[in-house]
Amino acid sequence: GAGVSQSPRYKVTKRGQDVALRCDPISGHVSLYWYRQALGQGPEFLTYFNYEAQQDKSGLPNDRFSAERPEGSISTLTIQRTEQRDSAMYRCASSLFNTEQFFGPGTRLTVL
Amino acid sequence: GESVGLHLPTLSVQEGDNSIINCAYSNSASDYFIWYKQESGKGPQFIIDIRSNMDKRQGQRVTVLLNKTVKHLSLQIAATQPGDSAVYFCAEGWSGGTDKLIFGTGTRLQVFP
Repeated sequence: GAGVSQSPRYKVTKRGQDVALRCDPISGHVSLYWYRQALGQGPEFLTYFNYEAQQDKSGLPNDRFSAERPEGSISTLTIQRTEQRDSAMYRCASSLFNTEQFFGPGTRLTVL
Repeated sequence: GESVGLHLPTLSVQEGDNSIINCAYSNSASDYFIWYKQESGKGPQFIIDIRSNMDKRQGQRVTVLLNKTVKHLSLQIAATQPGDSAVYFCAEGWSGGTDKLIFGTGTRLQVFP
């Protein structure tokens, strides 16, 4: 596609449910990043991949958060047993390799 | 859509004036710096970047200045236009380690006609 796409764009879930957020990077981009952005704040790094290898997951808040990119393209960020504090905009970005990061439109997660 | 930066520092300028947005970064080891523009309801959009071996870089209507001594970054926008109205974030990275970016606090730019 022309840019990074994310789905769903909006997700409302009940506390305790698991959610899976999807990112489809720009075709051919080696690196894929996940960020979380609270209202009024800059994006906060969560994790990133080069190809299918997870290079850095130091930003994941706790072990309820995980991410995968099994074939080096589409990535899924999974949040288990969601809590209200997980409510935020989750953004994905991709880059060719250690270059300019292009951001997707984000998934707005609301945990009730 | 969402509203970005409800309580951010705000810079108000008149159309046609030059704008200067400042940013202080935190990590002395950072060697890559980027400015992003974020319009309401959209993801951050790359504007310009600079590496630590430079102190100035120019793009189309934009200039980024880097002062490593005081860990300060600025974005200058010439002849500001209404379409420049957005929240601007600086971000820092370190090529010697992980590829992640650390974003600073944004600044809202409002352009009046």
